[in-house]
Amino acid sequence: QAVLTQPSSLSASPGASASLTCTLRSGINVGTYRIYWYQQKPGSPPQYLLRYNSDSDKQQGSGVPSRFSGSKDASANAGILLISGLQSEDEADYYCMIWHNSAGVFGGGTKLTVL
Amino acid sequence: EVQLVESGGGLVQPGGSLRLSCAVSGFSFSSYSMNWVRQAPGKGLEWVSHISSSSTTIYYADSVKGRFTISRDNAKNSLYLQMNSLRDEDTAVYYCARGGYPLDCWGQGTLVTVSS
Repeated sequence: QAVLTQPSSLSASPGASASLTCTLRSGINVGTYRIYWYQQKPGSPPQYLLRYNSDSDKQQGSGVPSRFSGSKDASANAGILLISGLQSEDEADYYCMIWHNSAGVFGGGTKLTVL
Repeated sequence: EVQLVESGGGLVQPGGSLRLSCAVSGFSFSSYSMNWVRQAPGKGLEWVSHISSSSTTIYYADSVKGRFTISRDNAKNSLYLQMNSLRDEDTAVYYCARGGYPLDCWGQGTLVTVSS
C-alpha cells in the first residue's frame, strides 16, 4: 500500500469548489505530518502551493491566491487541498508530499479538470 | 530572480553513468538544502535525494540508494547528481528543487533517457 494515496482524477465546474484528498497509509497518523501541496501544469515544473499542519502551523506559497487552502480530516487520516472559486487556470495536476522516515514521499497526483 | 538550471541529461545505455548539474542564482545557495526530484514520462513525481546546506545530512530514495550520489559546491553555487548503474526505469525528467520544507523553487528539468 502506498504511503500517500490521491484520487487519480477529479472534475469540477468553474466557480465551484474542489476538495482534493491525500490519504495516509494506515499506521501513519496525519496528525503528526506537515502536508505539502504542489501544482503542475503540462510542460512546466511543479510549483509549491502551500503547507498545512494545523491552523496555527500553515504556510501559503509566495503569490498563491487565498482560494487555495489546506486542512486535515483526522477521521479519514487525510490531508485536504481546497480550491474555491475554480478558474480554468486551475486545471492541472496536484501532488501532496510528506517527509517520512528521512525520505520525501509524493502522492500519485490528482488531475483536476475544470469544465 | 531565483533561477535553477539543470544540465547534463541525455541518452545513456543501461549500466552507464551520467552526472547532472544544477546551477543556481538569485539566492544564497549555501543557506538552503537542496533536492533532486524526478518524473518518468507521463507519470507522477518521485523524490530522489536531499542534501543539507553544509552537506552534513544526505538522504536517498531506496530506488537509487547505492547507485546515485548527491553533492554540492557552495563556492560554485552548484548541485550535482552522479548517477551510476543506470536502469531503464531511471528514465525521467530530473528536477533540482530548493529547500525541503517546502521545495519552494524548481528548475525546468533535464531529461535522462536510459535505453540501448
